[in-house]
Amino acid sequence: AAGVIQSPRHLIKEKRETATLKCYPIPRHDTVYWYQQGPGQDPQFLISFYEKMQSDKGSIPDRFSAQQFSDYHSELNMSSLELGDSALYFCASSLGKGLPDEQYFGPGTRLTVT
Amino acid sequence: QKEVEQNSGPLSVPEGAIASLNCTYSDRGSQSFFWYRQYSGKSPELIMFIYSNGDKEDGRFTAQLNKASQYVSLLIRDSQPSDSATYLCAVNEGDGQNFVFGPGTRLSVLP
Repeated sequence: AAGVIQSPRHLIKEKRETATLKCYPIPRHDTVYWYQQGPGQDPQFLISFYEKMQSDKGSIPDRFSAQQFSDYHSELNMSSLELGDSALYFCASSLGKGLPDEQYFGPGTRLTVT
Repeated sequence: QKEVEQNSGPLSVPEGAIASLNCTYSDRGSQSFFWYRQYSGKSPELIMFIYSNGDKEDGRFTAQLNKASQYVSLLIRDSQPSDSATYLCAVNEGDGQNFVFGPGTRLSVLP
C-alpha cells in the first residue's frame, strides 16, 4: 500500500540558511500534519492542513511556514535556520475530519544544521 | 494545557511475557486515543486506536480505555524481542486535529 512520502530524507544546512521539506500524503488523504522530533523527545506538533487550508497550529516558530497545494502535497519552509532546528521532521496524513482520525507517518526528514 | 503522561521506562519484560504500557491524559474532551510504536531513528507506526470505553483487541495487542479515569493502556501478549521499541501514546480531541503525544515508554523484551 502507498505510504506517506517525504523528501529529502536527509538535509544538511548551515546556520541562517533556508530549507524546504516536502510531503506527499497517502492517496485520497486530505489532511497533512507536520511534527518535529528532537533527540530523545516525543514528536511535537507544528502545523496541519485540511483541504489546503491551515487547520491547526502548534509550536511552529515564526521562521517556519507551510502550505498545502492543490494536489494535497505540503511543503514546510524553514528560514534563518538555527542549530536547535536540527531534528527529525515527520509529516503525517489522514483522511480528514471525523473519528477516529488515524494519522500515518512518513519516514521523516533528518535535518542537520551546522 | 493538554498533557499526556507515560512512564518513560525502560520497561523490561522477558520474552513470552505480557507487557503493560500505561498512559494518562488531562483533557477530558479527548475523543480518540492512539498507540504508536517507534524504533530508534524511524517514524512512528500506528499500532492501534480506540475511542470507546473498554477493550479492543488486535492480534497480540489489546488497548484498554477508561475515560472516567482518563487512562488508556496497551497490553502486548507473548512479547517478542522485535517488540523492543518506544511506544507513544497519542491523544486528540473530537475535531480530529493535532495529536498530543506522551513522552513514550521504552520497552525492552529480553530473549
